[in-house]
Amino acid sequence: QVQLVQSGAEVKKPGASVKVSCEASGYIFSSYYIHWLRQAPGQGLEWMGMVNPSSGGTNYAQKFQGRVTMTSDTPTSTVYMDLSSLRSDDTAVYYCARDRGFSYGLGDSWGQGTLVTVSS
Amino acid sequence: EIVLTQSPGTLSLSPGERATLSCRASQSVSSTYLAWYQQKPGQAPRLLIYGASSRATGIPDRFSGSGSGTDFTLTISRLEPEDFAVYYCQQYGRSPGTFGQGTKVEIK
Repeated sequence: QVQLVQSGAEVKKPGASVKVSCEASGYIFSSYYIHWLRQAPGQGLEWMGMVNPSSGGTNYAQKFQGRVTMTSDTPTSTVYMDLSSLRSDDTAVYYCARDRGFSYGLGDSWGQGTLVTVSS
Repeated sequence: EIVLTQSPGTLSLSPGERATLSCRASQSVSSTYLAWYQQKPGQAPRLLIYGASSRATGIPDRFSGSGSGTDFTLTISRLEPEDFAVYYCQQYGRSPGTFGQGTKVEIK
């Protein structure tokens, strides 16, 4: 069955960077895009961007341009999301989600989420 | 960016009742790019509907989606105990993809 397994919770100080991983299994890794989305505590969902594991191509929401980097590693079927210059309002659960085709955030299978806490 | 406004904020219903959730967009959304998700506490969202009216794999037929332009609806024909959750609409056709603020369906 399709599974997206994310790395564990992180606690970071303001100004630091965080790298979250998402390991895919149960399907052909290179055939699906991967989105990254986040959800602040008690809040709604926010799309951050996407990566095409086949080409390595990316598309980021303008809000995160210059601060986020999404990469993929085909041999390990793993996608990474690196967010830099962390602020307290980056505290959120970060999700990866699989997409059947190119879009701005449709996810048919999701990871379990990774809590990133930014605090001094 | 396209702003999605969901109503009502909370819907209090009993099992077996019909639930009708609304999602209104600040500008026209192609039906191809409108989705609905269900989220339970401590869980990731689950895709219910994509393309405004197509059910995702494994979703029961009591869930249906409709609408076009700026007005979309998710209908749950008869609420089951496991349906009490928060529901989000999403447009994924224009960058940035955006979500509504959610409708909580709670047990009356």
